[in-house]
Amino acid sequence: QQPVQSPQAVILREGEDAVINCSSSKALYSVHWYRQKHGEAPIFLMILLKGGEQKGHDKISASFNEKKQQSSLYLTASQLSYSGTYFCGTERWSNDYKLSFGAGTTVTVRA
Amino acid sequence: NAGVTQTPKFQVLKTGQSMTLQCAQDMNHEYMSWYRQDPGMGLRLIHYSVGAGITDQGEVPNGYNVSRSTTEDFPLRLLSAAPSQTSVYFCASSSGTSGAPSYNEQFFGPGTRLTVL
Repeated sequence: QQPVQSPQAVILREGEDAVINCSSSKALYSVHWYRQKHGEAPIFLMILLKGGEQKGHDKISASFNEKKQQSSLYLTASQLSYSGTYFCGTERWSNDYKLSFGAGTTVTVRA
Repeated sequence: NAGVTQTPKFQVLKTGQSMTLQCAQDMNHEYMSWYRQDPGMGLRLIHYSVGAGITDQGEVPNGYNVSRSTTEDFPLRLLSAAPSQTSVYFCASSSGTSGAPSYNEQFFGPGTRLTVL
């Protein structure tokens, strides 16, 4: 079952902040975040695991609320390079081998 | 390292034709997967493999076959193309002792844009 992302789209000016949410109706083991620029392949941002472990880029900030089955990605002091579509992927349990991705959140950062 | 490579980049098929989308990785990754991406739908898993000789179905497997005879290659076959298979197809790979993407990033190929008329 696909996770639900919100908002669908957001427009920012350089330096502004934004939060992208990803929620599931099912219990989750992990949440993965990727960013995709138009016409390109998705690029890994972060993995958040049940229990609090995180793996990803130092400049990316995210949280995982295990009780609410919800993750949030924080875009702080946005830069033009942050523009793109952000996808969250979720796994139901360890070694599920299957990521279920949300429909994406399109972020546009303007000068 | 070339990473994950996919061929062709673009393909146009007629309904009923068959073809194979190629995917290769040179990172010795155990886990490989195929996704399709349609507007407004995000990425949907078609098939995946946790190692040579081991494949399994994802979310939308109908109309597609896969095999994994080597660690490096994971081709996706369309047996009888249908307009509903018009999409962008991404192959991805990931390392991990258990072969799962749980703990490791997935590296995506550049994609194949397929149009079925």
